Order: sequence, then C-alpha cells, then structure tokens
Amino acid sequence: AQSVSQHNHHVILSEAASLELGCNYSYGGTVNLFWYVQYPGQHLQLLLKYFSGDPLVKGIKGFEAEFIKSKFSFNLRKPSVQWSDTAEYFCAVNAGGGSYIPTFGRGTSLIVHP
Amino acid sequence: GAVVSQHPSWVICKSGTSVKIECRSLDFQATTMFWYRQFPKQSLMLMATSNEGSKATYEQGVEKDKFLINHASLTLSTLTVTSAHPEDSSFYICSAKVLGQGNRVSNQPQHFGDGTRLSIL
Repeated sequence: AQSVSQHNHHVILSEAASLELGCNYSYGGTVNLFWYVQYPGQHLQLLLKYFSGDPLVKGIKGFEAEFIKSKFSFNLRKPSVQWSDTAEYFCAVNAGGGSYIPTFGRGTSLIVHP
Repeated sequence: GAVVSQHPSWVICKSGTSVKIECRSLDFQATTMFWYRQFPKQSLMLMATSNEGSKATYEQGVEKDKFLINHASLTLSTLTVTSAHPEDSSFYICSAKVLGQGNRVSNQPQHFGDGTRLSIL
C-alpha cells in the first residue's frame, strides 16, 4: 500500500523567506503527485500536480515542486513567501495505471509572519 | 472551475440521531466521490469511495452500517451518519474527480467541498 510522509508538521517563516516542504511517498510504480492547499476557513484546493514529463512542476501563486523519482520525493518550494501563504499544505499521491485511490500526507501548517 | 458543494456546513444534534450530509458537483459529472474525515491537526482520512450506481468501497475500520453512502446520480453523493454518538463528532469532507479523457479518473485532481463540521451532544 502506498503511504505519504510530510516531515515538517509546523513551519514558521518571515515574509520573503524561502520555503521548502518535504513530501516522500512509498510506492514502487507509476504515481501521480499533487499538492493541495487549505487556506484558513476555506476548502482544499489544488496547488500543482505531476503526471509525467518535466519533473519540475510550476503551480499557482509562485509555487513549484520537483519530482525526484530516485528519492521518492515531491518537495514543494517557493523562493519568497508572503503572509497570504499562511495555510495548511497537503501532499497527495495516487498510484497510476488505473488506480485512483488517493493517499494524503498528514499536512504541514505554514505560518508566515509579516 | 469545478465546484463541489457540501451541505450542511455545520450541524449539531443529539446523540442517537442520524445526520445526512450531501455532496454535489455543481458544474461537472462525477462518477467517483470520496468521503474523508479530518481530525484536528491530522490528515484527511479516507473513509470510503463512492461510485455512482454501485456500492461504496469502504476503507478498513470504517463501519458500513454506521456511515451509509448513497451515490444515486452523477452529481450527488450522500453520507448518513446513523445513530450518531459524540465520538462521531468530526469534520467530514467530500471530494469529486472530473472525468478525464476517455472517462479515465486516475490522474485527475480532486475538487473538495467546504466540509461539514458535525458536533454530537
């Protein structure tokens, strides 16, 4: 069974600092990878996704993630965070090849101080 | 974009009653919807996968008779918490996937409802 691990549970940064949130998964086959964001009081929404092709994926609001197959990782990055990036971030994986049962990581709470 | 509406957003009821939560895809058809439970400071826990026109697939440890799921149409799935007790109090979230090319759902992202906060007294 696939599993997803997000190592950073709580991250506190100042505005303009760089961000990297870790996401590792355990599954040996083809995977589809996602990052979702949940802003305070709002529903989860898609930030970016990787299906195939260029392992460096650009998402909304200046976020990007890099798929490193050899490390089973899909870390989320942003060079300069803003106060409005304060949110909960979830990494999700579902095995490719017809399976569509998603597995979510525990989530990372990001607080950005102005 | 794809919108998923979940209703009600908050419900408080007495122990022993049953509560129905609706999940609707407003501008797309969803053959598959997911029901999650989210505890404070924890991740989304998949409860069941709801398939239109067939029985839901429940995750291990989730009681089928306790959490009744009906997916009668391509735009509506309902979760009924039967004989609710205080330990059922939680945040329940539904999501749906848009059908992809060739009706494949595998690699489509999910669209989430706003969630339902259930409080059982």
